Order: sequence, then structure tokens, then C-alpha cells
Amino acid sequence: AQSVTQLDSHVSVSEGTPVLLRCNYSSSYSPSLFWYVQHPNKGLQLLLKYTSAATLVKGINGFEAEFKKSETSFHLTKPSAHMSDAAEYFCVVRGSKYIFGTGTRLKVLA
Amino acid sequence: GAVVSQHPSWVICKSGTSVKIECRSLDFQATTMFWYRQFPKQSLMLMATSNEGSKATYEQGVEKDKFLINHASLTLSTLTVTSAHPEDSSFYICSARLREADTQYFGPGTRLTVL
Repeated sequence: AQSVTQLDSHVSVSEGTPVLLRCNYSSSYSPSLFWYVQHPNKGLQLLLKYTSAATLVKGINGFEAEFKKSETSFHLTKPSAHMSDAAEYFCVVRGSKYIFGTGTRLKVLA
Repeated sequence: GAVVSQHPSWVICKSGTSVKIECRSLDFQATTMFWYRQFPKQSLMLMATSNEGSKATYEQGVEKDKFLINHASLTLSTLTVTSAHPEDSSFYICSARLREADTQYFGPGTRLTVL
């Protein structure tokens, strides 16, 4: 069975400082992993995806994530937070269907 | 590319009435569409998987007679909430993909409020 755990339900950072959103996964085979962002009352937007190519994946809006098999992690990072990054972020592992993490709410302080 | 739309974006209805929500893939043909429900401050819950031209597959605990799903074409799926009750009030999100190994692309969601 596959599962995904987002380790922080809330993360607060100051504008201009780095962002780290943590995600651990469990999978019996090489997984496909995704990060999506959801702004209030909006649908989900794909930030980036890992599908067994390069382990460092670059996404939109300056986000990137690194697949670490030894740590079963797929953490999302951004060097410098912007106010517009404030949103809910979901880590997803794909099996026969999408399995969503519980989400991390990112707050960016001015 | 890969744009999915939903209509309406929000709807308010009276208890006992039925509401139809449309999900369209605008620039690709979606052989599979998914319907999710999201409660406030929670993650997405998959309700059903819909393949074009066949009956939808519902997740455990989802009433198929209450949440009618039709996927009549490669670009359109509809979710009809029948005899809506206040507890059906929620944010409904659809997604679409072309092939099994493909990424799902999500619509903007529909906020349903049942009075």
C-alpha cells in the first residue's frame, strides 16, 4: 500500500526567507510524486512532479523538490518566500489513484 | 495546456432539489475524470472515478444514487447531487487525465451550499 505523510500542518515564514515543506512517502515500488498548491476557494495547481527521472525536480514559481529514496522523502523548497506563496500545499503519491497528504498551510509574514 | 474548467463556480440551492456540476477538459481529451469532495481545512476525498462511456466507479461510502456521475464525452463529465441536503454542502473538485500514467489536472472547484 502507498501512503504519504506531510509532517507539518502549518508553516510560517517571513517574506524573503526559505521555505521547506516536508513530505514522506511509503511505496512498495518506485513512486510517482507530486506537489500541488491550492489557494483559498480555488482548485489545485500542479507545482511539480517526480516520475523516476532526475531526483531534483524544478517546478513553477521557483519551487523545487528533491526525491530521496534512502529517506523516503520528497520535501518542497523555495529559496525566498513571497507573499503570494501563502496557500495550502498537498503532497501526492500516485498509485491506482492519487493519495493525498493532509496538507500544509503556508503562511508568509511581511 | 491541460486546462480543466468547472461550472458553476458556486451554487446555492434549497434542500430537496438537485444540482448539476459540469467538468470540462478544454484542451485535451480526458479518458478519465475524477470527482473529489473537500471539507473546510481538510484534504481532498475521492468520491468516484469516471471513464468515458462507462459507469463510474464509486469509493466506499459514497452513495451512487445520490451523486450521479455521467461521462458522456471525452471532454465532459457531470456530477449531479440529487435531493440535496445541508450536509451535502461542500467544495467539489474535478480532475481529468488522458492516460493512466498521466498527471491529473484539476478544475477550479464548485462551492455548493444547500439551505
